[in-house]
Amino acid sequence: DVKVTQSSRYLVKRTGEKVFLECVQDMDHENMFWYRQDPGLGLRLIYFSYDVKMKEKGDIPEGYSVSREKKERFSLILESASTNQTSMYLCASSPRGGAINQPQHFGDGTRLSIL
Amino acid sequence: GQSLEQPSEVTAVEGAIVQINCTYQTSGFYGLSWYQQHDGGAPTFLSYNGLDGLEETGRFSSFLSRSDSYGYLLLQELQMKDSASYFCAVFFSGGYNKLIFGAGTRLAVHP
Repeated sequence: DVKVTQSSRYLVKRTGEKVFLECVQDMDHENMFWYRQDPGLGLRLIYFSYDVKMKEKGDIPEGYSVSREKKERFSLILESASTNQTSMYLCASSPRGGAINQPQHFGDGTRLSIL
Repeated sequence: GQSLEQPSEVTAVEGAIVQINCTYQTSGFYGLSWYQQHDGGAPTFLSYNGLDGLEETGRFSSFLSRSDSYGYLLLQELQMKDSASYFCAVFFSGGYNKLIFGAGTRLAVHP
């Protein structure tokens, strides 16, 4: 079974802090994704990566950056945390080979609170 | 732009059948997926439709009509454990296995 592990289940940080959310997958997937999930808005894509050191902006990249130094690890960085970034953050991965409709496999999420 | 619409809430009783609709507006539509998410859990993949018609997987079926930009998820013989949020999500030909998700439908199954 694919395992996507997010480093923290709950995290509380202060406004202005630099925040790192870590995600590791164990299935050698090329594609990795970061979403945020807010009530009534579903999952919105922040950034994704289709290979090591490659990254593409999603729909809401402002205030975030990412790092993919190794294939299995994809980090989301909040450069200067703000209260409107309080949310549930979900990491996902999928293989790139074959059809583009490969299912995405999600981690359990990190509930981040910015005070 | 890209948008998906699905009802915010649906309620049903055990043993019943429920249909969750999804309409979409996207450029370069490739296919429609459905994901299930229990409270506090990770979204999990349920089904994919790339062609028009019905795909069946056990108690769950998913339908797509590309000409109507419409799909639905059909859940039969509802069980309490089916209480969850259900998201439709669109693949489009921008590549990289990227998905656009709907806002989700919260299904409550009652005894």
